[in-house]
Amino acid sequence: GENVEQHPSTLSVQEGDSAVIKCTYSDSASNYFPWYKQELGKRPQLIIDIRSNVGEKKDQRIAVTLNKTAKHFSLHITETQPEDSAVYFCATSHQGGKLIFGQGTELSVKP
Amino acid sequence: DAGVIQSPRHEVTEMGQEVTLRCKPISGHDYLFWYRQTMMRGLELLIYFNNNVPIDDSGMPEDRFSAKMPNASFSTLKIQPSEPRDSAVYFCASSLNGGIYEQYFGPGTRLTVT
Repeated sequence: GENVEQHPSTLSVQEGDSAVIKCTYSDSASNYFPWYKQELGKRPQLIIDIRSNVGEKKDQRIAVTLNKTAKHFSLHITETQPEDSAVYFCATSHQGGKLIFGQGTELSVKP
Repeated sequence: DAGVIQSPRHEVTEMGQEVTLRCKPISGHDYLFWYRQTMMRGLELLIYFNNNVPIDDSGMPEDRFSAKMPNASFSTLKIQPSEPRDSAVYFCASSLNGGIYEQYFGPGTRLTVT
């Protein structure tokens, strides 16, 4: 069945360090892979996404890599800042129009 | 555009009462999603609609939950009767072309059932 596993569940880094969050999925038909950031008490918001015809995408300090053969994709945040502290969710598309979300990673950036 | 609008933002009710949550999607979006978020279960998809038609309600926890979308600009999620374990944040989201484009989330409704 459809499943997305996300690791780690919590991640603590020092300001300026890099953070990496990884997701694996089971549905080989998935072709869209977004990442959402949810700050405390706020709504999830898209920060970056990648489609299956691309292996890597970068937007300033954020990058996502996709390995379709291995069915995993990762979020990389470089030069982390305290405002990067939030819960991050990966997701994959599923036929019929819905997204399957991972369990979330709580990132804490310590100044 | 004002984005996805949800009401109420907070709801406190007693066990056994009926609760109705409301959502107005972004104009022109043809998909609407209802999610529930709790610490224990994370972000769960309850039901979603395409062009006002329910496509998948397999995430609706039980018959106490029902959802409708009478037109392209309005949807409701109803819980009757409510129970303490229904306490959660309920998000509505909308998108164009379903799962292959960004979903825009509303601010959420924080439901507390005592």
